Amino acid sequence: KNQVEQSPQSLIILEGKNCTLQCNYTVSPFSNLRWYKQDTGRGPVSLTIMTFSENTKSNGRYTATLDADTKQSSLHITASQLSDSASYICVVSASGNAGNNRKLIWGLGTSLAVNP
Amino acid sequence: DTGVSQDPRHKITKRGQNVTFRCDPISEHNRLYWYRQTLGQGPEFLTYFQNEAQLEKSRLLSDRFSAERPKGSFSTLEIQRTEQGDSAMYLCASSPLRNQNTEAFFGQGTRLTVV
Repeated sequence: KNQVEQSPQSLIILEGKNCTLQCNYTVSPFSNLRWYKQDTGRGPVSLTIMTFSENTKSNGRYTATLDADTKQSSLHITASQLSDSASYICVVSASGNAGNNRKLIWGLGTSLAVNP
Repeated sequence: DTGVSQDPRHKITKRGQNVTFRCDPISEHNRLYWYRQTLGQGPEFLTYFQNEAQLEKSRLLSDRFSAERPKGSFSTLEIQRTEQGDSAMYLCASSPLRNQNTEAFFGQGTRLTVV
């Protein structure tokens, strides 16, 4: 069964601190892995997208890693800001075919709260 | 604004009424997707267009749901005879016709509440 599991479920950190979110997946066939940020009541915003051949990808203060052998990914946030408070969702595309955005396996997300 | 635009942002309707949502994708994005998201869950795929052609519909899309993309640009999603179980966030996303690793860009969503 295709699954994406994330940990921790929720996290509270102080502004300025770093944090790392984890994602484990069992999805086949694997096409790519994305990290999305979703604020409450709004649509997901893409942070990174990685194929199996990519080990790391950065987007500003966000750095994602991917280990396709162990099927694990992480999202590292450096120098956190209050605006980073959101749900961070790991999503794996399960299809190698065109139009693969219709076969997305979503994790339940990590709810991050950044406190002053 | 060059992002995906959805209208309205919120809709409250009485059970049994029909509702229609609109999505304007990013300009020149050939692919357009509709998803439904309930609280605490990831978005569930509903349907997908490539240009004006509706190429796939999920089993979640009952007969009461219909989607169109008549000119290959904006799309509408209509729900007829709404039920309380239809209450959810309806998300639209678009992507260019490039390769299999093209990510989807999401709109802000339309939150539907059926009372």
